[in-house]
Parts: sequence; structure tokens; C-alpha cells
Amino acid sequence: GESVGLHLPTLSVQEGDNSIINCAYSNSASDYFIWYKQESGKGPQFIIDIRSNMDKRQGQRVTVLLNKTVKHLSLQIAATQPGDSAVYFCAENSGGYQKVTFGIGTKLQVIP
Amino acid sequence: NAGVTQTPKFQVLKTGQSMTLQCAQDMNHEYMSWYRQDPGMGLRLIHYSVGAGITDQGEVPNGYNVSRSTTEDFPLRLLSAAPSQTSVYFCASSYGTGQETQYFGPGTRLLVL
Repeated sequence: GESVGLHLPTLSVQEGDNSIINCAYSNSASDYFIWYKQESGKGPQFIIDIRSNMDKRQGQRVTVLLNKTVKHLSLQIAATQPGDSAVYFCAENSGGYQKVTFGIGTKLQVIP
Repeated sequence: NAGVTQTPKFQVLKTGQSMTLQCAQDMNHEYMSWYRQDPGMGLRLIHYSVGAGITDQGEVPNGYNVSRSTTEDFPLRLLSAAPSQTSVYFCASSYGTGQETQYFGPGTRLLVL
């Protein structure tokens, strides 16, 4: 996951544009990856997941890309909307509850 | 379905006080867990349970106790609160053991003075 200290990295995007949020994971043994969305004052909400036998997975307006060679994960949000404003973080899992590592997150700000 | 519910939403404690954070889920999930979320850090696992009567420690278990007497409930007890336990606490549940989607509750914001 990310390691950026106390301040979350922020991505500002114009409404209607596409957003790309990146995540570097640390464990080459991780085989399951999840993206979560967390709105202010709420719990994390599952967005999309991908297993290590895939490079790409698409959902509704979201796409996750996995590059195992460089241990990199990205979340693409198409036609970003004001309701997409939140903190997005990735999680990597190498097997079982106790082996899930969560990233710090990126704050997405959508400019109307 | 209510999903995962947590009470209270917010609590202020004095150092040394004890309290229980409640968590319940109505999805018949076997797996439940407690995390804490602190600024600049990812979610960290405190305790987890793979079924009624079974609990285990996560990454940061010190100062916390859990029990799982039913499938639905997974309370987290702070034995003697310390300022270092000021955090936001999330309960989560899943059908499987972490390679499945985890459903999170709305969180309890705890301030220890």
C-alpha cells in the first residue's frame, strides 16, 4: 500500500472526466486485491475486486488493472461524478483475514 | 437486511474507563473482524472470528478483548482505555475468510481523554 504520512494524496478531477487512482502493493504473494470507497464519516464500501490470475476486471463505470510484474494496481472511474468524491483505498490479500493489508488511500475530489 | 450495524456512533472516555463497542450482522456471515483506522495508516486488524465460539488476534490486539457467542454479534471490549486507543473502529463481516468481500459497519469514533 501507499506510505505517504499523515496527509492523503489528493486527486482533483473535473466532473465528467475519467479518474485513475493508483496503488502499489508490497507482497508478491498477494493473490486477491480489492478497491474500497470510503465517504466521509462512513465505513469502507466494496467497489471491485480482482484475483491474481486476471489483469483487468470491469464493473459499472469502474475498471481495475493489475500489473503483477511491478506490483501495481489501478482503479479507473469513467465519467466521474460528484458522488464519486471520497477516499479510495486498495487492499491486498495473501490468504485469510490476518493477511489482508490495507493502503492509506487517495482522496478523490470532483470539481463540478 | 440492515447489514453490519455498530453502536455507539461516537463515544468519549476517560483514561482507565472500560467500554464495549457493539457489532451485529444479519447476513449469516461466519467471519467477523474488528479494525481500527488512524490518520496516515491503513486499516489495522485488531481481532477476528471465523465462527461462533472462535476468536483470534490480529495485528494490534493489545488492550482489547472479543467474544463470539452467536453468529450475529461480535462485541469489542476495551479493558482500560488509553489515549492511544483514540481511533475510529470498524466492524466487518464476510462469508469467507478474507478472499471474499468484507462488509463494513458505519464505524464508532472513540476519543479517550
